[in-house]
Amino acid sequence: GAVVSQHPSWVICKSGTSVKIECRSLDFQATTMFWYRQFPKQSLMLMATSNEGSKATYEQGVEKDKFLINHASLTLSTLTVTSAHPEDSSFYICSAIAPGPTQETQYFGPGTRLLVL
Amino acid sequence: GQQLNQSPQSMFIQEGEDVSMNCTSSSIFNTWLWYKQDPGEGPVLLIALYKAGELTSNGRLTAQFGITRKDSFLNISASIPSDVGIYFCAAAGGTSYGKLTFGQGTILTVHP
Repeated sequence: GAVVSQHPSWVICKSGTSVKIECRSLDFQATTMFWYRQFPKQSLMLMATSNEGSKATYEQGVEKDKFLINHASLTLSTLTVTSAHPEDSSFYICSAIAPGPTQETQYFGPGTRLLVL
Repeated sequence: GQQLNQSPQSMFIQEGEDVSMNCTSSSIFNTWLWYKQDPGEGPVLLIALYKAGELTSNGRLTAQFGITRKDSFLNISASIPSDVGIYFCAAAGGTSYGKLTFGQGTILTVHP
């Protein structure tokens, strides 16, 4: 299956700092990637859709100025949590759509655990 | 937002038993996907279904895309301890192209 990587796998930062998370499709090109966050024992919550070469589309309630998304190439999307605060602590997961019968099959990265102190 | 109705929420079974879980929706979807998530990891795709009525197997796993396009089930036969985890159904192709709608997840515990 298609492989998606994330870096870093975990990060601890001080309140007020910015954190960048990378999402890469390793063996395929992805014009569309997605960013999710997940709280303990809950399902994934879509934050935004990252489109290569254009602006990201954010879900309702997600601050675009706080969660900056850049999809600079067909294999890389980045999520920057700006001025992070403790309530931003969560598990962030990206996914990418791989070529397939319906262009709707998403492969997920391993996730990034963010802890803001 | 819209969610799929996934059941059961949790299951506690003995090693060797078969497992069945399902998802239903009031909307029609074009693609049904089943993922497994281990603690601290991202979801891993188990089975993808693209046609109504399609029945697909992956080892001990079998999943079906409901004929009405509003439901899907996943069966695990002869469970083993490493089957432990959270299983999510997801569907795509409704009104929001490319986006996935998720079920709430089924927490599976397998006792040796």
